[in-house]
Amino acid sequence: DTGVSQNPRHKITKRGQNVTFRCDPISEHNRLYWYRQTLGQGPEFLTYFQNEAQLEKSRLLSDRFSAERPKGSFSTLEIQRTEQGDSAMYLCASSPRDWKQYFGPGTRLTVT
Amino acid sequence: GESVGLHLPTLSVQEGDNSIINCAYSNSASDYFIWYKQESGKGPQFIIDIRSNMDKRQGQRVTVLLNKTVKHLSLQIAATQPGDSAVYFCAENTRSQGNLIFGKGTKLSVKP
Repeated sequence: DTGVSQNPRHKITKRGQNVTFRCDPISEHNRLYWYRQTLGQGPEFLTYFQNEAQLEKSRLLSDRFSAERPKGSFSTLEIQRTEQGDSAMYLCASSPRDWKQYFGPGTRLTVT
Repeated sequence: GESVGLHLPTLSVQEGDNSIINCAYSNSASDYFIWYKQESGKGPQFIIDIRSNMDKRQGQRVTVLLNKTVKHLSLQIAATQPGDSAVYFCAENTRSQGNLIFGKGTKLSVKP
C-alpha cells in the first residue's frame, strides 16, 4: 500500500494523559498536513510541513498541541494533558509539489 | 462505523440518476478547489480538482463546474451508484496559504 498511513487508528485515553500519533506520507511527497475533524464537520487545518520545516503552526489549537517532522519523512502529532474536547478524528495528508492533498485513514481519539 | 454525516445537508437520489452537489466558497482569492468523498470511518478521498483559470473539468463519471463570479462550485456525478453514497466536501486553497479550507459537506444517499 503506497498511500498515507496513520497509527494508531484508534486511541482511547484518560483526561490528562499525553498522546502521540504518527503519520507516514506517500513516499517523496514533500508536504505533510495535519487536520482535525469533529462529527458533522469538515476537516480543520492544524499545521503543515514542507520537508522538515514547519511552515504554519498558528492554527494549532493550543500550546498543548505540537507536531514534528524530524527528517522530512514521517511526522508525529502530540497532545499533552488531553481534555475531553480533544476527542476527534485526527487526519494527516501529504502532497507533492502541487496542491493536491491525499489523506490517510485518520486516528480516532477518545478522551474519557 | 461512525457517521461523518450528522446534521449535514442531505441529497437523496435514485440509483442511475445524475447527482449535483453544490458548494459556496468564501475567499475570492482562492485559486484551487478540490472535491473529496468521505465514507464513514475513513479519511477523505480525492475525487477531482480544478484551478481558478478553468470553468469546467471532467473526470470519470464526475464533472466539476466553477463559477468565480458568484463563488460557487458544483460536483456532478453521472449515473449515480450505491457506492457513491458518502459525505462530499469541497475545499479551497490559495497558493500563499498552503492548507485547504473545507466546506460543511453534503451527505449523498443513493436509493437502489
